[in-house]
Amino acid sequence: NAGVTQTPKFRILKIGQSMTLQCAQDMNHNYMYWYRQDPGMGLKLIYYSVGAGITDKGEVPNGYNVSRSTTEDFPLRLELAAPSQTSVYFCASSSDRAHYYGYTFGSGTRLTVV
Amino acid sequence: TQLLEQSPQFLSIQEGENLTVYCNSSSVFSSLQWYRQEPGEGPVLLVTVVTGGEVKKLKRLTFQFGDARKDSSLHITAAQPGDTGLYLCAGAHGNQFYFGTGTSLTVIP
Repeated sequence: NAGVTQTPKFRILKIGQSMTLQCAQDMNHNYMYWYRQDPGMGLKLIYYSVGAGITDKGEVPNGYNVSRSTTEDFPLRLELAAPSQTSVYFCASSSDRAHYYGYTFGSGTRLTVV
Repeated sequence: TQLLEQSPQFLSIQEGENLTVYCNSSSVFSSLQWYRQEPGEGPVLLVTVVTGGEVKKLKRLTFQFGDARKDSSLHITAAQPGDTGLYLCAGAHGNQFYFGTGTSLTVIP
């Protein structure tokens, strides 16, 4: 089925380790996003991209990096993991008419930093 | 800065009851969306409202956008266990969407 695929589903990291969260979409969407979701805090935007080669910071970018070399893929890199990065991470994509058609979300990556 | 506040944060009701969830802000939005999220999954779009005062119905769910486009409500009639989930509103402001804090709904059979 067409959609947004995130890997891995779960991950435990030790403080100071690094990892990459993978995100791929097959809907030819130009726009892609990374959110983190913490209990009672809703979804916070980390980074977004409006097309291949273009990325920009969201509300909470510190401690993260992204790249967008193709339309399909938008990986999120965590460098020097900290306990504050324990969260559920969601990748989403949209067409340029997100105001009407909304976002398509992946099923999330649950990350625990110990 | 939290642009959107949802209330109540938690809601537990019996099957067959009616309920209303609110999404409020001091900011004006060009459009507003409601999503439902089930455990272990990402949010799924339910509806988009664009015009102030607009009302949309999706089976037993009724969505309303405030006249000033600053707030919205979701009303569920005769709730069913399948309605259980986290309901999120999201407002379009500039070129981004801002998500509310969410309302966690549990419908008890």
